[in-house]
Amino acid sequence: KQEVTQIPAALSVPEGENLVLNCSFTDSAIYNLQWFRQDPGKGLTSLLLIQSSQREQTSGRLNASLDKSSGRSTLYIAASQPGDSATYLCAVIRTGANNLFFGTGTRLTVIP
Amino acid sequence: KAGVTQTPRYLIKTRGQQVTLSCSPISGHRSVSWYQQTPGQGLQFLFEYFSETQRNKGNFPGRFSGRQFSNSRSEMNVSTLELGDSALYLCASSLAGARDGYTFGSGTRLTVV
Repeated sequence: KQEVTQIPAALSVPEGENLVLNCSFTDSAIYNLQWFRQDPGKGLTSLLLIQSSQREQTSGRLNASLDKSSGRSTLYIAASQPGDSATYLCAVIRTGANNLFFGTGTRLTVIP
Repeated sequence: KAGVTQTPRYLIKTRGQQVTLSCSPISGHRSVSWYQQTPGQGLQFLFEYFSETQRNKGNFPGRFSGRQFSNSRSEMNVSTLELGDSALYLCASSLAGARDGYTFGSGTRLTVV
């Protein structure tokens, strides 16, 4: 069974700091991995999608890496801003499946 | 380009009642998935529909059901509601499934009293 863990569960940083969020998964036979953010009481906003054949993806200040062999992904946020405050979720899709397995999320607070 | 639309946004129901939630995917998307989000269990997969057929199902009781119409719109139904069904229900659409990634709607907040 696929288990997805995100550490830390919560993180507070001052504005402008660079930070890294971690995601680990137990079954390396994944099809792809997707990072989302969720604002309180809202739906999920897709940030980055990494196919299993890729090592990383970048979008603006965000960079996500994927290491299938070690079962890890990281989301790097550069020059954090108060608007980045949200819960960040990673999710994997097992090879042969069509559903997402979600981690428990990291709640990020960027302090002005 | 319109996103994934879920209606209604909020619902309050009484134990024992049934409820139907609706999801309109992004135009051209044929895969629609449903997820339940609760503080205790996080995000859990309910089921996925593709071209009007249920392609994948999570570990939920039979009280949870769904369907997809020919225009790819999907509905989810929960019968005999229990207090534990209170949750945020999220719908996600994709062109064809896993390789395309998923776009989520804003969700329906269901409260069972």
